[in-house]
Amino acid sequence: ILNVEQSPQSLHVQEGDSTNFTCSFPSSNFYALHWYRWETAKSPEALFVMTLNGDEKKKGRISATLNTKEGYSYLYIKGSQPEDSATYLCASNFGNEKLTFGTGTRLTIIP
Amino acid sequence: DGGITQSPKYLFRKEGQNVTLSCEQNLNHDAMYWYRQDPGQGLRLIYYSQIVNDFQKGDIAEGYSVSREKKESFPLTVTSAQKNPTAFYLCASSSRQGADSPLHFGNGTRLTVT
Repeated sequence: ILNVEQSPQSLHVQEGDSTNFTCSFPSSNFYALHWYRWETAKSPEALFVMTLNGDEKKKGRISATLNTKEGYSYLYIKGSQPEDSATYLCASNFGNEKLTFGTGTRLTIIP
Repeated sequence: DGGITQSPKYLFRKEGQNVTLSCEQNLNHDAMYWYRQDPGQGLRLIYYSQIVNDFQKGDIAEGYSVSREKKESFPLTVTSAQKNPTAFYLCASSSRQGADSPLHFGNGTRLTVT
């Protein structure tokens, strides 16, 4: 089974500060990398799907980068707001097979 | 609004009983998935289906069964053979079964078996 690892496991950030966290995955036979945001009592919501090495995607204050050669992706949040508090999941494919999820990074924004 | 509906939100069963979790989508998506979440672990794939009347085992299919008789519906049965059925179950769909197709999730069902 493909191993997708996320770090840190949890993070507390002061409102207004920027932050980032990491998703690591085996680089061989990479196909796609997904980021999801999962707020408490809601369903996970897709943020980004990236497939190309060097890809960068942005959605408002959130952006992500992808390095398929070394097997990692960063998620950045600029100027954190309380509504950013959530668990952020990444997932990757082995070949074109089913997604394997990491355990998530739980982000708490401190007002 | 289009989306995925899982019911019920909470489910309690006695050990030894089969139980079926409902998942319905009106997104016209071809692919549907069932995941299980346990504390400290990532979402693990139980079963998935790419088209009606076809489904494949995921990583932890033992003790579970599914059907896909309609495009909109993908119910999951947790059988008495599942050794640790207490968990949070998420259903998802995607417009096609491809690595670059984002998943749309339901709100989940929390199953407790005593």
